[in-house]
Amino acid sequence: ILNVEQSPQSLHVQEGDSTNFTCSFPSSNFYALHWYRWETAKSPEALFVMTLNGDEKKKGRISATLNTKEGYSYLYIKGSQPEDSATYLCAPYNNDMRFGAGTRLTVKP
Amino acid sequence: KAGVTQTPRYLIKTRGQQVTLSCSPISGHRSVSWYQQTPGQGLQFLFEYFSETQRNKGNFPGRFSGRQFSNSRSEMNVSTLELGDSALYLCASTLGPGRSGANVLTFGAGSRLTVL
Repeated sequence: ILNVEQSPQSLHVQEGDSTNFTCSFPSSNFYALHWYRWETAKSPEALFVMTLNGDEKKKGRISATLNTKEGYSYLYIKGSQPEDSATYLCAPYNNDMRFGAGTRLTVKP
Repeated sequence: KAGVTQTPRYLIKTRGQQVTLSCSPISGHRSVSWYQQTPGQGLQFLFEYFSETQRNKGNFPGRFSGRQFSNSRSEMNVSTLELGDSALYLCASTLGPGRSGANVLTFGAGSRLTVL
């Protein structure tokens, strides 16, 4: 069982701000790190899957990096928009998927 | 293609009753995982099924059980319901466990259970 920690727990930013949050996990027995976005009244949707140390993934204004040796991943959002408001969940895969508590992002217009 | 379908979407039960929730995965997906989400908690892993076999189980009491059928559809059952079982229950499907862990989960809309 992996202990997954996400910080901060919640975040309020203004439209146009860039922001980032952290997912930390035990670095042993690691296979892959998943990021999901969960908007209110919708289902969680996959953003990225990263498997290799140093992996970087990008989708539009959102990007993520992975450090498997020290056990952390960063998610970055450049120029936040109100539609980015959601809870961002990370989940390291180690034979099954256990999620962190998430970072709830609110972007104010 | 059709997404992950969960039924029922909403249900209300009383303490002591039992409930069965259903999850139909995306066609071709053979792995189904179940999660519980309560206010203030993240997604808590309940169990995962693959090819009709339970692969992993989270830290939940034995009142929580599940099964998977040959068509990959899965059900979870909660017996002797308690107030604390009120939650959103999500299921997610994927092609299979895969050693690389790179298969993403596709989630259903969830079943919201209220226990009175």
